[in-house]
Amino acid sequence: GESVGLHLPTLSVQEGDNSIINCAYSNSASDYFIWYKQESGKGPQFIIDIRSNMDKRQGQRVTVLLNKTVKHLSLQIAATQPGDSAVYFCAENPNTGNQFYFGTGTSLTVIP
Amino acid sequence: ETGVTQSPTHLIKTRGQQVTLRCSSQSGHNTVSWYQQALGQGPQFIFQYYREEENGRGNFPPRFSGLQFPNYSSELNVNALELDDSALYLCASSGGTGNTGELFFGEGSRLTVL
Repeated sequence: GESVGLHLPTLSVQEGDNSIINCAYSNSASDYFIWYKQESGKGPQFIIDIRSNMDKRQGQRVTVLLNKTVKHLSLQIAATQPGDSAVYFCAENPNTGNQFYFGTGTSLTVIP
Repeated sequence: ETGVTQSPTHLIKTRGQQVTLRCSSQSGHNTVSWYQQALGQGPQFIFQYYREEENGRGNFPPRFSGLQFPNYSSELNVNALELDDSALYLCASSGGTGNTGELFFGEGSRLTVL
């Protein structure tokens, strides 16, 4: 999962399998969370968001789970495809400000 | 709908020089945020502009400054460049009707300081 540090966590999955990417966030006051996907040489792309009054939200092939008790967020990708290979970031927004705090990211590699 | 566009895409400067990066926000968005992304790291918040005024700032020195124009486009200026300023600079827009706070990013400006 994501953490502040020098090494980018990596995850390799077989095409067609489900992927789970984890993120531990730091601020218990954070009330809005977003998962971003960043492909090489591109800007982060919005995938899915969730607010703190929810614990689960589903999109197309993606599900985000939020556990506020342990300050943990996860992104589940169903039937992972080669095009899902990228770095995935979780971002938290404390209700005290306008900035988002990003983790260092998890690099997902899908093996055909 | 036009997405967030940034220019230039790549540039090289030397230590001590100044740089200006430009951003056009997504159609309908009135807020622009700037982030710095060092290699292998997540984006770090520099500042946000709303209604042409700075509306929040991260832990960056005053030599990082910005502007927002009436059409919501924005500039990031960095003076007295240092080697550690080498990074991908990302602009993100948000706000406006239908936007619930999510940031939409441009492709970034890759700055190399030699």
